[in-house]
Amino acid sequence: EVQLVESGGGLVKPGGSLRLSCAASGFSLSSYSMNWVRQAPGKGLEWVSSISSTSNYIYYADSVKGRFSISRDNAENSLFLQMNSLRAEDTAVYYCARDCAPGRYSYGGMDVWGQGTTVTVSS
Amino acid sequence: QSALTQPASVSGSPGQSITISCTGTSSDVGGYNFVSWYRQHPGKAPKLMIYDVSKRPSGVSNHFSGSKSGNTASLTISGLQAEDEADYYCSSYTSSSTVVFGGGTKLTVL
Repeated sequence: EVQLVESGGGLVKPGGSLRLSCAASGFSLSSYSMNWVRQAPGKGLEWVSSISSTSNYIYYADSVKGRFSISRDNAENSLFLQMNSLRAEDTAVYYCARDCAPGRYSYGGMDVWGQGTTVTVSS
Repeated sequence: QSALTQPASVSGSPGQSITISCTGTSSDVGGYNFVSWYRQHPGKAPKLMIYDVSKRPSGVSNHFSGSKSGNTASLTISGLQAEDEADYYCSSYTSSSTVVFGGGTKLTVL
């Protein structure tokens, strides 16, 4: 079964750090661009970051640029999001999601999603 | 990057057709054929319904269709069913090599 499972969420104080992980199974992560998307409580979806299959191309939303860092370990079939200098407005469910077409950069079509991991930034 | 503009809510009766619009600019929706649509039920992860403006992933019913004209993309759901009641989001690739989502539309099946 093709599956993504996120972990690493939790409660953190403003200014703190968290590292999210996303474990892929049922397919080879190395063939796909990957994304992080978040959803604040009661709000809509917000794209956070994308990374190409070989990590050559990495992009971030303006809201997290300079604070978040996306990376991947294709040998371990895992995707990561290092989040530093966290703010209250970063509170959200964070989803990892796979691009729908192998071998191309992520243009926004994401066909496999994890169940999400919750990040709460509060003092 | 500003969010794409979607109506906050739409509604329809079972069996009817509805269309949800998604308006952007020439730097996103109008500039690329990379518009996607997602359905999200409460408490669940989003599900991809349409990608690349009008392509359906395997397993998605053909009563979902997508189109684009200028800076506005549209999702049409024909033959509304109770299970179609959900939030719908559009997204587009942008000239900054990023992705932008719409604010979401709540579909109510009357």
